[in-house]
Amino acid sequence: KQEVTQIPAALSVPEGENLVLNCSFTDSAIYNLQWFRQDPGKGLTSLLLIQSSQREQTSGRLNASLDKSSGRSTLYIAASQPGDSATYLCAALSSGSARQLTFGSGTQLTVLP
Amino acid sequence: GAVVSQHPSWVICKSGTSVKIECRSLDFQATTMFWYRQFPKQSLMLMATSNEGSKATYEQGVEKDKFLINHASLTLSTLTVTSAHPEDSSFYICSARVSGGRRNEQFFGPGTRLTVL
Repeated sequence: KQEVTQIPAALSVPEGENLVLNCSFTDSAIYNLQWFRQDPGKGLTSLLLIQSSQREQTSGRLNASLDKSSGRSTLYIAASQPGDSATYLCAALSSGSARQLTFGSGTQLTVLP
Repeated sequence: GAVVSQHPSWVICKSGTSVKIECRSLDFQATTMFWYRQFPKQSLMLMATSNEGSKATYEQGVEKDKFLINHASLTLSTLTVTSAHPEDSSFYICSARVSGGRRNEQFFGPGTRLTVL
């Protein structure tokens, strides 16, 4: 059974810092890996999706990498802003017939002005 | 594109009543929809997977007679929490997968906050 872990659980940084959020998964047989943002009491906003054949994806100040063999993904946020404060979730989509999405527990990010 | 809506966004009900939550894919067809539950400070846990026109597949520990799922069309799935109790209070999020999509991407609704008094 796939298990997804995110470290750290919470992170507080001053505005302008570059930061890295980590995600690890136990079963490397994934179809893709997705990063989401969740604001308090809200649903999920998809940030980046990396297919299993890809190494990284970029969108604006965000860059996500994927290393399937080691079961790791990172989300890099450049020049952080207070508006980036949210919980960031990673989720791995299994490549079996069930195609099930397994979520990590999230990293709660606070960017201080 | 690829917008998923949920209704209602929040609901408060008395213990013992039933509550229906709707999930719609607004601009695409979804043969598969998913229902998740999220307790405070926790991640999303998959409750069930529903395929249009067939019975839903429930995850271990989820009571199918309590959480009734109907996926009657390619754009609508409903979750009914029957005889709700305070422990059912949670944030329920649905998602939909694009039919025939190559990316296997799931799109998520904004969630429904259920509070059972």
